[in-house]
Amino acid sequence: GAVVSQHPSWVICKSGTSVKIECRSLDFQATTMFWYRQFPKQSLMLMATSNEGSKATYEQGVEKDKFLINHASLTLSTLTVTSAHPEDSSFYICSAYGTPSNTQYFGPGTRLTVL
Amino acid sequence: QKEVEQDPGPLSVPEGAIVSLNCTYSNSAFQYFMWYRQYSRKGPELLMYTYSSGNKEDGRFTAQVDKSSKYISLFIRDSQPSDSATYLCAIGPGNTPLVFGKGTRLSVIA
Repeated sequence: GAVVSQHPSWVICKSGTSVKIECRSLDFQATTMFWYRQFPKQSLMLMATSNEGSKATYEQGVEKDKFLINHASLTLSTLTVTSAHPEDSSFYICSAYGTPSNTQYFGPGTRLTVL
Repeated sequence: QKEVEQDPGPLSVPEGAIVSLNCTYSNSAFQYFMWYRQYSRKGPELLMYTYSSGNKEDGRFTAQVDKSSKYISLFIRDSQPSDSATYLCAIGPGNTPLVFGKGTRLSVIA
């Protein structure tokens, strides 16, 4: 199957700093990417949908000024958590959709801990 | 009524058992059906992907879709301890946000 990578896999930062997470589709062109967060033993929560070259569409309740999403190329999307606080600590996962797969492949996830 | 219903389990079976995981959905317009496996602290891994009704087999895994009943199933034959994970059903199409079931936690006991 198609491969999606995320970097970093794990990050610890101080409260008030910004953190950037990268999501890359390694062997296909991702026209659409999705960002999720997941708390322990809970379901995936969709944060936003991004189409290449367009502004992201955020889910209700997700602060777009806090979670900046950029999808500037067909193989890369980034999520920047600005002015991170301890409550932003979570597991962030991206998924990518692109032809010819017609389905979504997930990255391995990034664990963010804000001290 | 939720769009996708999935029994959260947990489900515990002995090694070698046949496992049956199921979801029901409400929107008959859905055409794409997926099963993902998620290990703890990892991203979901695509196991099976089916378009419309029918069966699809891949090794020990078989996915079934019955659109008339709005029912999808995943069967795991000869289950192994390494199959212990959370299994998520998802309904698409893939270029829009997928609708997920809550996931079923499976434990295969050696």
